[in-house]
Amino acid sequence: EAGVAQSPRYKIIEKRQSVAFWCNPISGHATLYWYQQILGQGPKLLIQFQNNGVVDDSQLPKDRFSAERLKGVDSTLKIQPAKLEDSAVYLCASSLAAGGANTGELFFGEGSRLTVL
Amino acid sequence: SQQGEEDPQALSIQEGENATMNCSYKTSINNLQWYRQNSGRGLVHLILIRSNEREKHSGRLRVTLDTSKKSSSLLITASRAADTASYFCAPVNDYKLSFGAGTTVTVRA
Repeated sequence: EAGVAQSPRYKIIEKRQSVAFWCNPISGHATLYWYQQILGQGPKLLIQFQNNGVVDDSQLPKDRFSAERLKGVDSTLKIQPAKLEDSAVYLCASSLAAGGANTGELFFGEGSRLTVL
Repeated sequence: SQQGEEDPQALSIQEGENATMNCSYKTSINNLQWYRQNSGRGLVHLILIRSNEREKHSGRLRVTLDTSKKSSSLLITASRAADTASYFCAPVNDYKLSFGAGTTVTVRA
């Protein structure tokens, strides 16, 4: 079974530039998550999709970050314009379903490491 | 959403020894999950324990859950060099799953 695919693995940009990350979840997984992990910290949830609807985007800085999940499959996370503090690893994860005790294990991709200079 | 708080922040042990780390959380949960992250990699799910369970085993891993104290522990027995990683607990409340800062475990040969 193919895992969660993310690209690019590494990206270096100047501040105020834009960047986009792509994620393809495991086939059949209804729920897709984007996490931001700053060096030395735990992953912080940015946005959670159930199929192509947003379940939680309370921690997404909406003035500069946007995400979409067209057709309920793959997803794109965009940052525009980037700031120095956006330097982090952006992790995508997927799970079969989410809801109460049925929120089961998350499968993570390898992440996209962003450096903003 | 709540997040787990792991303790200690870092742990260094000799190969073959056991490693124990703890997690505390603040509100009621549906289940609690533990994940491992090797340096530069994504997180890998280790074990899920439901709110009505008190203990669960998986290979060399043993997880306990005390909902009255809002705490969980992860024990790794007979540690190996490959266990060197960061370990995160993730309490799940409704559909929300959040991570703390993790415990970094170093296993010395």
